[in-house]
Amino acid sequence: DAGVIQSPRHEVTEMGQEVTLRCKPISGHDYLFWYRQTMMRGLELLIYFNNNVPIDDSGMPEDRFSAKMPNASFSTLKIQPSEPRDSAVYFCASSLRTGGKYEQYFGPGTRLTVT
Amino acid sequence: GESVGLHLPTLSVQEGDNSIINCAYSNSASDYFIWYKQESGKGPQFIIDIRSNMDKRQGQRVTVLLNKTVKHLSLQIAATQPGDSAVYFCAEKALNGQNFVFGPGTRLSVLP
Repeated sequence: DAGVIQSPRHEVTEMGQEVTLRCKPISGHDYLFWYRQTMMRGLELLIYFNNNVPIDDSGMPEDRFSAKMPNASFSTLKIQPSEPRDSAVYFCASSLRTGGKYEQYFGPGTRLTVT
Repeated sequence: GESVGLHLPTLSVQEGDNSIINCAYSNSASDYFIWYKQESGKGPQFIIDIRSNMDKRQGQRVTVLLNKTVKHLSLQIAATQPGDSAVYFCAEKALNGQNFVFGPGTRLSVLP
């Protein structure tokens, strides 16, 4: 398996522009998580899905952020409009909750820079 | 992925020595814990997990200890190698919850 795939790996955009980050989870996994990592705040959970349904989006910073999971093999995190404070590394992770295991497999991340 | 930042606690150890990385967790109701390793430019990678009904679990060269009384978790790495240099995170999951809260991380630097 290729693991969790994220694209793009790097994104540089100007303030006010729309940004879309993409994630392909590991096939067969039933949970998908979006995290943001910054120097100041560490690794923060933004939102997670179970069987394509958003379960907890309390970590989403504000209405500028939205996430979708139209099917089991694809999710997007959108920021519109983007702001410089959104600059961070965004990780997608997936897991299969079976046998009481909760291990999350992380993608390589997307480094977002908003100028 | 990125290294987390300039203000992480840092542990420096000599190659071949044992390392102990500590973590204080916040929720006494947490029932499951994971240690992750994050190398520069990569996402976090699972190392070992432990349930709250255990106080010790061993893997290959790693041991996790859990002290629920003081809400403390530690990761011991035996015979530390240069490839162990990374940032290490503990993560806790609340009982009946599905998501994890990650600690701030500790940077391990292995000296030759």
